[in-house]
Amino acid sequence: GESVGLHLPTLSVQEGDNSIINCAYSNSASDYFIWYKQESGKGPQFIIDIRSNMDKRQGQRVTVLLNKTVKHLSLQIAATQPGDSAVYFCADTNAGKSTFGDGTTLTVKP
Amino acid sequence: NAGVTQTPKFQVLKTGQSMTLQCAQDMNHNSMYWYRQDPGMGLRLIYYSASEGTTDKGEVPNGYNVSRLNKREFSLRLESAAPSQTSVYFCASSSKPGFTEAFFGQGTRLTVV
Repeated sequence: GESVGLHLPTLSVQEGDNSIINCAYSNSASDYFIWYKQESGKGPQFIIDIRSNMDKRQGQRVTVLLNKTVKHLSLQIAATQPGDSAVYFCADTNAGKSTFGDGTTLTVKP
Repeated sequence: NAGVTQTPKFQVLKTGQSMTLQCAQDMNHNSMYWYRQDPGMGLRLIYYSASEGTTDKGEVPNGYNVSRLNKREFSLRLESAAPSQTSVYFCASSSKPGFTEAFFGQGTRLTVV
């Protein structure tokens, strides 16, 4: 069946470094992608989104890259801060329904 | 604004008991969703309601029922709880299905013993 997966379950970075979190998806019909951040004990929060007709989108300290050829999505966080420590999920949306990956736990070391 | 509010936050049930998880949103969103999240995993869609008056099955609907009571409220019912339904349940809403982000509640941690 269709699935959305993240390459690594955990990622540890030094404060101030850039972080890159990757995601592979398998549904070629997916037309919208979202990255969510989930802090411990809370619900997921929207970070950034991208439509399938785009390759790149930038927000504040975050950039999402989409490579439709290899069905790969990445989230780049610039100057990672301790407050960025959380679980990050990618989700693809097709026909109004989202499929979530299993998440990458980002730990920022001071 | 409160956003998406779920009740209760924690619940312990015995196998075979029933209960209803409540969800309300104050953002005038059309679409609402119920997800479950098991340890170390992503969210899996149980049921969703694209608009008031409609509900549809998601990826894992077995053992659950839903009611879209009005535009604000979307409840999830477990008729006969099983240990396999031990999970964290999240309700979410969005302005429309697709091409918009979802806003999530704080979750309900359910344990079935």
